[in-house]
Amino acid sequence: EIVLTQSPGTLSLSPGERATLSCRASQSVSSNYLAWYQQKPGQAPRLLIYGASSRATGIPDRFSGSASGTDFTLTISRLEPEDFAVYYCQQYVTSPRWTFGQGTKVEVK
Amino acid sequence: QLVESGGGLVQPGGSLRLSCAASGFTFSTYSMNWVRQAPGKGLEWISYISSSGGTIYYADSVKGRFTISRDNTKNSLYLQVNSLRAEDTAVYYCAREYYTHFDYWGQGALVTVSS
Repeated sequence: EIVLTQSPGTLSLSPGERATLSCRASQSVSSNYLAWYQQKPGQAPRLLIYGASSRATGIPDRFSGSASGTDFTLTISRLEPEDFAVYYCQQYVTSPRWTFGQGTKVEVK
Repeated sequence: QLVESGGGLVQPGGSLRLSCAASGFTFSTYSMNWVRQAPGKGLEWISYISSSGGTIYYADSVKGRFTISRDNTKNSLYLQVNSLRAEDTAVYYCAREYYTHFDYWGQGALVTVSS
């Protein structure tokens, strides 16, 4: 069973700072199937990044994704007030089909 | 657009049928999923159904108790949830699968299992 481990659990930063979020897979996975979502309180998740590094429609270019082996990174270059939220990574797995990381909360310092 | 309905308060051991009404796209050509989120917790994928309904998968946590289905003539996705437990309390989201990710999500339906 593939497990996605996100770190840190909470990231305390100020607006304008750079955020670096990590998602590590427990075994080799395809970067084509790695996605990142943003979720704000009371809202459904929103797709940010798919295929590890492609931005979804309408997502600002301050959001970027990268991959290196089993390590995936979501970077927010300069935090805007609306970026404080919880971020999840997601990976397609053979069984049962999809898995999510446990999430990273980006909070105001 | 995806709109869930059918959530509510149910006693342990009870059942519910969640619905997800799709509009604005050709529903019959997309695979669909259900994802849930317990209060204060992360996202948990629970079920998948192919565009035709011919292929179905479940997470181990719900296998044998939940049943996913769809009616392409009604542009609707369903989740029959039986033998409910307190740990099934969550917001249930339907989500459209687009190749490598979920590109559209519903607003969620809250299921509360309590006596």
